[in-house]
Amino acid sequence: GQQLNQSPQSMFIQEGEDVSMNCTSSSIFNTWLWYKQDPGEGPVLLIALYKAGELTSNGRLTAQFGITRKDSFLNISASIPSDVGIYFCAGQLVGASGTYKYIFGTGTRLKVLA
Amino acid sequence: EAGVAQSPRYKIIEKRQSVAFWCNPISGHATLYWYQQILGQGPKLLIQFQNNGVVDDSQLPKDRFSAERLKGVDSTLKIQPAKLEDSAVYLCASSLMRTGYNEQFFGPGTRLTVL
Repeated sequence: GQQLNQSPQSMFIQEGEDVSMNCTSSSIFNTWLWYKQDPGEGPVLLIALYKAGELTSNGRLTAQFGITRKDSFLNISASIPSDVGIYFCAGQLVGASGTYKYIFGTGTRLKVLA
Repeated sequence: EAGVAQSPRYKIIEKRQSVAFWCNPISGHATLYWYQQILGQGPKLLIQFQNNGVVDDSQLPKDRFSAERLKGVDSTLKIQPAKLEDSAVYLCASSLMRTGYNEQFFGPGTRLTVL
């Protein structure tokens, strides 16, 4: 099945550093979502983006919806140990029956060194 | 508000055996999703329900996987018979309605290991 490409696949950073990750697709999406998944848990929504070019912040997180609607990036400023986890992007598609479904990226695994 | 509940949390079976997973969505959520998440990958949609009807099962391996959502609330996902490549975390998610963007809330998942 289709998946979005995320980069980097994994990264180690020092506490306090800023982090940037992105997500690209060959398909156009009308909505981009960013999730974080902790070990043993399901993904939790961080940010939702609804319009091309939109820049949205949630605390230390900032995400942008690419102008082409085929990409998005997520920035985390001043990382802290609890930022450790796997970050997934997801794009919203309209299914054949007019319903909405979500395609997930391959994930970026973040590890923060104290 | 209670979240999405799933059980069991872990299951280990031999290949060719059968297994079933249960999901109880957030109260009032009409849409329910089952995802398969293989280690190192993102979740992949298996089936989507709107109330008790299927709206998308295009990626469900129907020769071995089946799912139902009786009375539009709880749902079960079954694998019969299981293969080694079915080892994964099975995530259930629910949202308020199918049209427009409505946040999906995920359960903790069931980790299946097929030996």
